[in-house]
Amino acid sequence: EAQVTQNPRYLITVTGKKLTVTCSQNMNHEYMSWYRQDPGLGLRQIYYSMNVEVTDKGDVPEGYKVSRKEKRNFPLILESPSPNQTSLYFCASSPMGVETQYFGPGTRLLVL
Amino acid sequence: GENVEQHPSTLSVQEGDSAVIKCTYSDSASNYFPWYKQELGKGPQLIIDIRSNVGEKKDQRIAVTLNKTAKHFSLHITETQPEDSAVYFCAPISGGKLIFGSGTRLLVRP
Repeated sequence: EAQVTQNPRYLITVTGKKLTVTCSQNMNHEYMSWYRQDPGLGLRQIYYSMNVEVTDKGDVPEGYKVSRKEKRNFPLILESPSPNQTSLYFCASSPMGVETQYFGPGTRLLVL
Repeated sequence: GENVEQHPSTLSVQEGDSAVIKCTYSDSASNYFPWYKQELGKGPQLIIDIRSNVGEKKDQRIAVTLNKTAKHFSLHITETQPEDSAVYFCAPISGGKLIFGSGTRLLVRP
């Protein structure tokens, strides 16, 4: 089944404890992206990647890192999480560019 | 930056009625206009999109209309069913990115 998977789906952590949210797609898509969703703010892009080894900042990149070493994987790294990073995170992929994006099921993160 | 507004923020309709959600945007260079549906506990799902060289597109019970002059596009759902209950987002492209509206919560009453 063609899909975008994220792990973990739920995560509770404490301020400053490094964490990684994994994202994987099995559709051989070039483009991958991370968004965060907060009440009243819609979805905002954190980082995106047009292809392997190519990443760029989105609208809200502060406090996040990404890497794209393989085409199928695009992990999101929070080196030192803070409470304002408590949010619902979505990974997405598309064959090429921002159009026709397929979203993962989401990761709900709570930073205490 | 791009300003995207959706109206209404909530919409309640009787099963079988039609629903219309409107999205206004500010970037006159936008040329791609998708609508996403997000069900509870799931990620957004692309349901229909339109490009600037087309005024209307239909896919069974859903349609999107575009007015580039007025800078707005609308989602139309006919013969609504309870499974249409969800949050709907418009996300016009601007500066190479999708800019998501704040969402419209649609409730279809059986």
